[in-house]
Amino acid sequence: EAGVAQSPRYKIIEKRQSVAFWCNPISGHATLYWYQQILGQGPKLLIQFQNNGVVDDSQLPKDRFSAERLKGVDSTLKIQPAKLEDSAVYLCASSWTSGRVGEQYFGPGTRLTVT
Amino acid sequence: GQQVMQIPQYQHVQEGEDFTTYCNSSTTLSNIQWYKQRPGGHPVFLIQLVKSGEVKKQKRLTFQFGEAKKNSSLHITATQTTDVGTYFCAGTNTGNQFYFGTGTSLTVIP
Repeated sequence: EAGVAQSPRYKIIEKRQSVAFWCNPISGHATLYWYQQILGQGPKLLIQFQNNGVVDDSQLPKDRFSAERLKGVDSTLKIQPAKLEDSAVYLCASSWTSGRVGEQYFGPGTRLTVT
Repeated sequence: GQQVMQIPQYQHVQEGEDFTTYCNSSTTLSNIQWYKQRPGGHPVFLIQLVKSGEVKKQKRLTFQFGEAKKNSSLHITATQTTDVGTYFCAGTNTGNQFYFGTGTSLTVIP
């Protein structure tokens, strides 16, 4: 079974530029999550989708971050414009369960450096 | 706001010693999950607990969910070098929001 795929693996941009990350979850997984993990901290949930609807985006900085999951499969996370404090690893995860959070399978992450 | 704290933040043990990390939430949790993240890697799911007072074991790992469903612990017996990594708890609060803990970084000295 293929795991969660993410691209790119690494990205370096200057502040005020835009960036987008892509995630392909495990086939058949209804729920998709995006996390931000700053070095030395635990992952912070940014947004949770169930199929193509948003379940929780309470911690998403909506003035600069946006995410979509068209057709309930792949997802993209965008930052526009980026700030220095956005430097982090962006993790995508997926799970079978809908509603309450279940076992999550994580992708390798995208390491973003904002200079 | 929601806080899920773990102690200790760092732990160094000799191989063969036991290790315990504690997870404490400021609010009641409907469930608790534990993940392990190796250096440079991504979190890997270990277990989920949902019942008050629940205890589960996986080989040398013992997981416990507190009676009040606000705390949890992970105990590793006789650590091995393969146990190195950061252990995170994560839980869903009554508002159905999901939070990871601050993590405990385990170093095992051979």
